[in-house]
This record gives sequence, structure tokens and C-alpha cells, in this order.
Amino acid sequence: SQKIEQNSEALNIQEGKTATLTCNYTNYSPAYLQWYRQDPGRGPVFLLLIRENEKEKRKERLKVTFDTTLKQSLFHITASQPADSATYLCALDQGSGGYNKLIFGAGTRLAVHP
Amino acid sequence: DTAVSQTPKYLVTQMGNDKSIKCEQNLGHDTMYWYKQDSKKFLKIMFSYNNKELIINETVPNRFSPKSPDKAHLNLHINSLELGDSAVYFCASSQEGLVEQYFGPGTRLTVT
Repeated sequence: SQKIEQNSEALNIQEGKTATLTCNYTNYSPAYLQWYRQDPGRGPVFLLLIRENEKEKRKERLKVTFDTTLKQSLFHITASQPADSATYLCALDQGSGGYNKLIFGAGTRLAVHP
Repeated sequence: DTAVSQTPKYLVTQMGNDKSIKCEQNLGHDTMYWYKQDSKKFLKIMFSYNNKELIINETVPNRFSPKSPDKAHLNLHINSLELGDSAVYFCASSQEGLVEQYFGPGTRLTVT
């Protein structure tokens, strides 16, 4: 079955710097990969999706890369702000028959300090 | 204008009791899900319904029984609660043909 590894240790960075989070997966390569943000006491919120034929995807200060050879996705937040502090989850689809079945990583907690 | 809502937000109960969690989405989505997030923060899918039909049923004890009265609602009933059932349960929904999921605020279940 698919396994997803995210750095379980918290990532602490200074405001204004770029945060880079890593998602590694094993076994088969998914057709797409998603990133979600989760704040304490709240449900995950969808941020970005990148497909296997896309090398990079951007949305405002967010950038996601997808390397199917390395079986890795990198999630970047440029010009980070304290409001970006949250846990970021990587998710892959292991569904079939046209139905989605997301498998989530444990998430990486990001703390942006003023 | 809440998209995916769950009730209750918190649920504290004793072992052996039966409880239900309710979920509603007003996004017009066709598919709804139940996830369990344990103390280690792993978010694991339990069930998925598409247009009231069960399509994903992970290895979940049969004490857990989902029910979808219509495509906007997905409830979760848990019988004979155990200590290990303590977790946060999230409901989510998605539109058929799209892959991003929209999550509810979660229900924190504590079994004592």
C-alpha cells in the first residue's frame, strides 16, 4: 500500500524567509498529489493540486513541485508570515473506479516567527 | 453559509455507550467521507458515500455504521464505544469529477 512520509519535526523559520516542506511517497506513482493546511482545532483546507505531468504549480506565495522519479513533492511558501503557521498535509489518491480515496501524510508543522 | 458542518463539536461519553455524529454539506457535492484523526495526527479514511451509496469501507470495526439519508447528509453511528475510539472525526465532501475535498470542523470524541 502507499506510504507517505513528511518530516514529523516542526519547521521553524523567520518571517520573510521561504519555507520548504517535503513529501515523499513509496510504491506506485499517483496521478496527482494534493496539499492541505490544517490549523489547530479545525479541519484540513485544500491548497493546491499538482498532476503527474506537471513539474510545478503556483498559487500566490505557494509553489508545489512534483518529481515522479524521486517520488517526492516539495511545498514552498515564499515571503512567509506568522499567519502561515499551521500543519501542512500531503495527500495522494489511492482510489479506483473513478472514486477518490485520499491517503494523508502525518503532516509537518510550520512555525513562522516574527 | 457553512460549507460542511458537523454536530456535535465535542462528545464525551463512557465506554459501552452508543453515540452518533452528524454531518451536512451545502455545497451540492455528490460524495461524502468520514475520516478519523488519532492522537498522532494521522488522518485516515473510514467511509465514503456517493449519492447515498457506500463506495469505500476501510477496515473499520462493524461497531461503526455510516448512514446517508440523502446526498447532503452523512451520519456516523458508533456502538459499544471503546477507549481506542477517542479521536477527532472529520466529515468531508467532494464534487464528482474533482479531487479536492472540503472538510468539516471535526468532532472530538473522548471515551472515558
